[in-house]
Amino acid sequence: EPEVTQTPSHQVTQMGQEVILRCVPISNHLYFYWYRQILGQKVEFLVSFYNNEISEKSEIFDDQFSVERPDGSNFTLKIRSTKLEDSAMYFCATRLRASTDTQYFGPGTRLTVL
Amino acid sequence: AQSVTQPDIHITVSEGASLELRCNYSYGATPYLFWYVQSPGQGLQLLLKYFSGDTLVQGIKGFEAEFKRSQSSFNLRKPSVHWSDAAEYFCAVYSSASKIIFGSGTRLSIRP
Repeated sequence: EPEVTQTPSHQVTQMGQEVILRCVPISNHLYFYWYRQILGQKVEFLVSFYNNEISEKSEIFDDQFSVERPDGSNFTLKIRSTKLEDSAMYFCATRLRASTDTQYFGPGTRLTVL
Repeated sequence: AQSVTQPDIHITVSEGASLELRCNYSYGATPYLFWYVQSPGQGLQLLLKYFSGDTLVQGIKGFEAEFKRSQSSFNLRKPSVHWSDAAEYFCAVYSSASKIIFGSGTRLSIRP
């Protein structure tokens, strides 16, 4: 079973600091996503990424957020200046190609902003 | 807009009993539907998916789900639950842009 991996598993940061969350997609997958889940709430879509550009983003994904795939393997989510309300579990997901292909989720990074 | 509703926030069933978790969706065209499971502190694992064809879908861990277009439902079932099935279960639908929209989840507890 192919796996999406994410690092770190848990990140604690001070409010106003920058954080970078990393994801290693499944090899050959072309579509990449970030979702987040605030404690006790539903999983929410943040952004989708294909062919080195953002395909779609939610209203949550404001100017403080950015994504990139700097080296053709890692897929990163950067939060420029973290806020308390950014505390959440962040999930990376990847998909091979067709819209009918499964999105595989990573184990998540728990971000705690103090 | 597409949406998913899971009316049950928390369900408790006895080990060995049958289970049905409810899910209703709102979607204009034929939906792509999913059930994911999340164990405490873990990521999201795909249990099963429906894209087309047979409306009764078999998944992993003995789960199945039935797509009923007339009722806009995609309920998850298992004939006999095990203590290890205790987890949070999310119903979800692909939106037109291929992002996944999740329901709010149903927490399943198992009574020994």
